Amino acid sequence: KAGVTQTPRYLIKTRGQQVTLSCSPISGHRSVSWYQQTPGQGLQFLFEYFSETQRNKGNFPGRFSGRQFSNSRSEMNVSTLELGDSALYLCASSWEEMRNTEAFFGQGTRLTVV
Amino acid sequence: ELKVEQNPLFLSMQEGKNYTIYCNYSTTSDRLYWYRQDPGKSLESLFVLLSNGAVKQEGRLMASLDTKARLSTLHITAAVHDLSATYFCAVESSNDYKLSFGAGTTVTVRA
Repeated sequence: KAGVTQTPRYLIKTRGQQVTLSCSPISGHRSVSWYQQTPGQGLQFLFEYFSETQRNKGNFPGRFSGRQFSNSRSEMNVSTLELGDSALYLCASSWEEMRNTEAFFGQGTRLTVV
Repeated sequence: ELKVEQNPLFLSMQEGKNYTIYCNYSTTSDRLYWYRQDPGKSLESLFVLLSNGAVKQEGRLMASLDTKARLSTLHITAAVHDLSATYFCAVESSNDYKLSFGAGTTVTVRA
């Protein structure tokens, strides 16, 4: 059974550009969450989608956005990139609502902003 | 806002000895998770603790949850080198759909 797949694995962007990251959840999973991991701030919640609806959002500026498609695949977008956006972005999927099942994480996308 | 504190942040272990990592959290929750992360890798789920008094064991690792004290512990028995990694606890809020993570405990096991 395939795990959570994130693409691309590595990305280098310039300040001011925008970027789109993709996450394909485990087959059958309908909930997808996104997290940002940095050495300074640790792991921070970005947002969570369930059946194409954003149910919760973390404390990130509006430059961070996401969406989920009908096949449960999710994308997150960061516009007007800043140096501080350099991080490992992790996606997690779960069968249903987070409260009912554990989350499985993908390998992450490492974004470097120069 | 739910806050999660782990300690210690760094743990140098001697092979064969026992150690404990602590995870305290600030508000009511009855769901706590432990993850392991190797350098440059993703998070691997270790334990899911879903109720007060829950205890789970896998190999040399044992995790427990005391929801009244808002405390979870990860106990390592007879440390071995391949346990070197960063361990995170994560607590699920009672009223939304996100995990709040501790800062992580970086474990190094030496001979």
